[in-house]
Amino acid sequence: QVQLVQSGAEVKKPGASVKVSCKASGYTFTSYGISWVRQAPGQGLEWMGWISAYNGNTNYAQKLQGRVTMTTDTSTSTAYMELRSLRSDDTAVYYCARVPPLMLDAFDIWGQGTMVTVSS
Amino acid sequence: SYELTQPPSVSVSPGQTARITCSGDALPKKYAYWYQQKSGQAPVLVIYEDSKRPSGIPERFSGSSSGTMATLTISGAQVEDEADYYCYSTDSSGNRQGVFGGGTKLTVL
Repeated sequence: QVQLVQSGAEVKKPGASVKVSCKASGYTFTSYGISWVRQAPGQGLEWMGWISAYNGNTNYAQKLQGRVTMTTDTSTSTAYMELRSLRSDDTAVYYCARVPPLMLDAFDIWGQGTMVTVSS
Repeated sequence: SYELTQPPSVSVSPGQTARITCSGDALPKKYAYWYQQKSGQAPVLVIYEDSKRPSGIPERFSGSSSGTMATLTISGAQVEDEADYYCYSTDSSGNRQGVFGGGTKLTVL
């Protein structure tokens, strides 16, 4: 079945970096994009950006420009999201979501989420 | 920055119709999408491109959009529909920035 499986929870210190993975299965990875969305504890959803698994094109949230990098490894059907210079307000559950071609905002399959805690 | 505005909460009795609104200046030109998130779970897409329903989503879920407001309607809400609902769209700038509304807690009791 179609699924996205994310890496496990992380605890990081302020100023460090984190890299979350999202492994896809059950569909042709390069025919879709991947968006990343995060959710701080008790808060709403926040769009972080999108990457095309076909050609690696990216579009990042302006708020995160310069701190976030999204990549894909087509040989393993895995997407990655790296966030640098972590702050306490980056503490959140991070989700990856599949994006169908020509429907860049329909996140139709979601990963289970990865909790990232930033604490000294 | 662009914002989408939702009411914080909506409450209905089982079997009643629940309507959740989402307002944004770019909605006349941009599609609205709706996501359902139950407690402790990942979101689920329930409406895309204003009014289309993905396969597997019950027919009681419908969407519409007029002017600067999009609406998610749940006709005959069920107890299992109790969840947070988020609208999503993009701004009208050339940078195509995605934005979620603040979310609406739907209570069905």
